[in-house]
Amino acid sequence: GAVVSQHPSRVICKSGTSVKIECRSLDFQATTMFWYRQFPKKSLMLMATSNEGSKATYEQGVEKDKFLINHASLTLSTLTVTSAHPEDSSFYICSARDLLAGARNEQFFGPGTRLTVL
Amino acid sequence: AQSVTQPDIHITVSEGASLELRCNYSYGATPYLFWYVQSPGQGLQLLLKYFSGDTLVQGIKGFEAEFKRSQSSFNLRKPSVHWSDAAEYFCAVGEGSASKIIFGSGTRLSIRP
Repeated sequence: GAVVSQHPSRVICKSGTSVKIECRSLDFQATTMFWYRQFPKKSLMLMATSNEGSKATYEQGVEKDKFLINHASLTLSTLTVTSAHPEDSSFYICSARDLLAGARNEQFFGPGTRLTVL
Repeated sequence: AQSVTQPDIHITVSEGASLELRCNYSYGATPYLFWYVQSPGQGLQLLLKYFSGDTLVQGIKGFEAEFKRSQSSFNLRKPSVHWSDAAEYFCAVGEGSASKIIFGSGTRLSIRP
C-alpha cells in the first residue's frame, strides 16, 4: 500500500514552454501533498504544500506564478512549470500524506520527475 | 526553526563492515524523525521512523536507529553492510501540525568490495 506515482518520469522541453507534472496517490487518499525540488547531489528542498481544494502554500523564495500547483482531488496534485528556462532543470519529487496518518507526518514519496529544459 | 544536520557528506565502508550514519536535529518539541534512502535517479524509500516510545527503532533492510534526546541525535546503524546499500541517505524531521518534513543534506554511502 501507500504508493505514489508521478508522470512523466522524464521530460525534455524547450525554453519558454510549460510542463505539467502529475502526482497521484494510488491506494490512499491524500489531503496534503508536497512538492520538492532536488538539485544534483543535493538534498530535497520543499517548494510548496498542497491541500486538496485550497491554494497551495509556497515556501519562501519559490515563485508561485512560475510553479503552479493544483490539488483538485484527494488523489491528484499537479505542478506546472510555466515558461520553463534551463535553470528550472531539476529533479522534482512529490509526496503525499495519508489522510489517516493523523499527526505522525508520515509522507509517501513518488519516484520523481527529471525535467530538462533546453 | 527546526533543522537537521548530517555531518558526513560521504562515507565509504567495506562490505560486511558495520555502519553508522550521524544525524543531529534541532527542534523544540518531541520530533518526528525519519531516515530515507535514495538510489541514483530514484525517489525516496522510508527506512524507518520514530514518533514516540521505544527509542531504538528497527527498520527495513536490517537498519536501525536510536533516538537520543540528550544528544539531539538519531543515528542510523547497520551491523553488516551489503554492496546494495550504496546510496544516498537522508535524515529528516517532521514539523508538528504543519506536516512539513525538513531534510538533512544527505550522506552518500559507498561500499568497498
